[in-house]
Amino acid sequence: DTAVSQTPKYLVTQMGNDKSIKCEQNLGHDTMYWYKQDSKKFLKIMFSYNNKELIINETVPNRFSPKSPDKAHLNLHINSLELGDSAVYFCASSQTSGSHEQFFGPGTRLTVL
Amino acid sequence: GQQLNQSPQSMFIQEGEDVSMNCTSSSIFNTWLWYKQEPGEGPVLLIALYKAGELTSNGRLTAQFGITRKDSFLNISASIPSDVGIYFCAGQSGYSSASKIIFGSGTRLSIRP
Repeated sequence: DTAVSQTPKYLVTQMGNDKSIKCEQNLGHDTMYWYKQDSKKFLKIMFSYNNKELIINETVPNRFSPKSPDKAHLNLHINSLELGDSAVYFCASSQTSGSHEQFFGPGTRLTVL
Repeated sequence: GQQLNQSPQSMFIQEGEDVSMNCTSSSIFNTWLWYKQEPGEGPVLLIALYKAGELTSNGRLTAQFGITRKDSFLNISASIPSDVGIYFCAGQSGYSSASKIIFGSGTRLSIRP
């Protein structure tokens, strides 16, 4: 059984488009996260949600909007995609907020042309 | 902001060799973590350290939480081909819900043919 799953695995799109990435966890965790990993493999947190409430919101363009319909899902919607948005986006979850043990999804490789 | 310097950036080793990598920070962390990422996958937690001076093992892996709380190292003994991947150190400075994990830039481990 997949603990943290993301769809799609790969996403290729044109500049200016709007796209969404979905994430689901079946671990019963309270907290979910979105990370961005650039081409140099640098991993940086973007958002975290605890029980559907936004906890961490890093300096991310407001074209990025996370949505948590319930505590098992955290989706990421990106408007007006730019070339610099190309990266691998990882969803993660943890038992509670502030918990170090985060379980990561397999990632979504976004390529903006 | 907080930064982690991880070294070396990459290393080529012979199977059977011992490996050592480390991470230093400009500020204090309360928790040090070591993750491994394999191609096409998300990072997986290897070892978590909670106290200054703590030395923890996980099979052939050993990690230590530096006395100053500003550094940590990871050793892998008798490396095998499946050790190949990118190893990330990460630090967390607090325990609150807003306490985020900061990741190092990674050490890419390859086995010399």
